[in-house]
Amino acid sequence: EPEVTQTPSHQVTQMGQEVILRCVPISNHLYFYWYRQILGQKVEFLVSFYNNEISEKSEIFDDQFSVERPDGSNFTLKIRSTKLEDSAMYFCASTYGTPNTEAFFGQGTRLTVV
Amino acid sequence: QKEVEQNSGPLSVPEGAIASLNCTYSDRVSQSFFWYRQYSGKSPELIMSIYSNGDKEDGRFTAQLNKASQYVSLLIRDSQPSDSATYLCAVNGNDYKLSFGAGTTVTVRA
Repeated sequence: EPEVTQTPSHQVTQMGQEVILRCVPISNHLYFYWYRQILGQKVEFLVSFYNNEISEKSEIFDDQFSVERPDGSNFTLKIRSTKLEDSAMYFCASTYGTPNTEAFFGQGTRLTVV
Repeated sequence: QKEVEQNSGPLSVPEGAIASLNCTYSDRVSQSFFWYRQYSGKSPELIMSIYSNGDKEDGRFTAQLNKASQYVSLLIRDSQPSDSATYLCAVNGNDYKLSFGAGTTVTVRA
């Protein structure tokens, strides 16, 4: 069964360092997303991406965040200068059709900023 | 700000019983509604989607949608210990994202 895959599963980084989280969406899906979940809190939307550009972004997705689809399969989230409050689970998701169709999530990357 | 509210739980049910989960949403233009299951430390797993008023059944799960009341629910019949998880209600308002509720934690007692 097709699935969204994310790497790494766990990343520890020092405050101020840059991190890149990687995702391979389901191959025939067209829309890609990043969500995050701080421990004990709701899943929060960060950004959606379609046709090589950002479709929508949340207030959380400020200038320290960026997304890229560097090739035909990968979708990355870069955090330029990590802060302690960026510690969270980051989930990549994808949908085949428009965003109101079923979204499938990757297994997540646990980011710990120390 | 779109709000999605779920009954806070936790919900404890005996094995074989019905677990009933509720969700309300604030945005009247919401079009698509989803239930995800999330085990501790894991990612959300899609279990049901519903787009029109009424009931939708899939195995032991039934989703119910009432757009006039802005209400969506999930029933889990014949609850099993493996159903113990947090259930997330998610709503799409015809935009580019899902809005999630805080989740209801269900524990099925053997």
